[in-house]
Amino acid sequence: DGGITQSPKYLFRKEGQNVTLSCEQNLNHDAMYWYRQDPGQGLRLIYYSQIVNDFQKGDIAEGYSVSREKKESFPLTVTSAQKNPTAFYLCASSGGLAPYEQYFGPGTRLTVT
Amino acid sequence: KNQVEQSPQSLIILEGKNCTLQCNYTVSPFSNLRWYKQDTGRGPVSLTIMTFSENTKSNGRYTATLDADTKQSSLHITASQLSDSASYICVVSLSYSGYALNFGKGTSLLVTP
Repeated sequence: DGGITQSPKYLFRKEGQNVTLSCEQNLNHDAMYWYRQDPGQGLRLIYYSQIVNDFQKGDIAEGYSVSREKKESFPLTVTSAQKNPTAFYLCASSGGLAPYEQYFGPGTRLTVT
Repeated sequence: KNQVEQSPQSLIILEGKNCTLQCNYTVSPFSNLRWYKQDTGRGPVSLTIMTFSENTKSNGRYTATLDADTKQSSLHITASQLSDSASYICVVSLSYSGYALNFGKGTSLLVTP
């Protein structure tokens, strides 16, 4: 999993609650990403950050929020506004020279009931 | 509409046999193409990255080919092992920035004894 940790591995929440997923990397990478993976679908980009204190919306940012206060950390908050939050969430980072290979964390499986 | 199509959706082969997975893409402008291996419940791990000028790249028993003219790529697995059972994801990059990635839905490979 290349120096990227995500916690917890499994997370259960009640509908209407916000929940924060942790992502930490020790690869000294500038860029970090959050993806969502649903069965039978390709990974979809939620948010990405290319530098500390800056981040951009991806393809499916609605109902999610992020922060990037430190280079090593990029937490994702799944808010109650997210209609279908149950999914497998993957964090990734990239750095160095092109083509900027992305290294993925082990993932967090979020179940909201 | 997904711009990266993979086939077959799933595949079952006997241990020791070879197999080839296909990826067709319509993404443009093309920067590079990546193949990832994803074990169930884990994050994807990079196998190869190829730019438009590369026709083939190997990583152990994995060999990827790329035809940028026909926009097709293949991943050939030689002498399959039980540990090759996983989902194989084709990813096409739009730019050198690292974040503009188009993910295929993956091919699920099962290697049986």
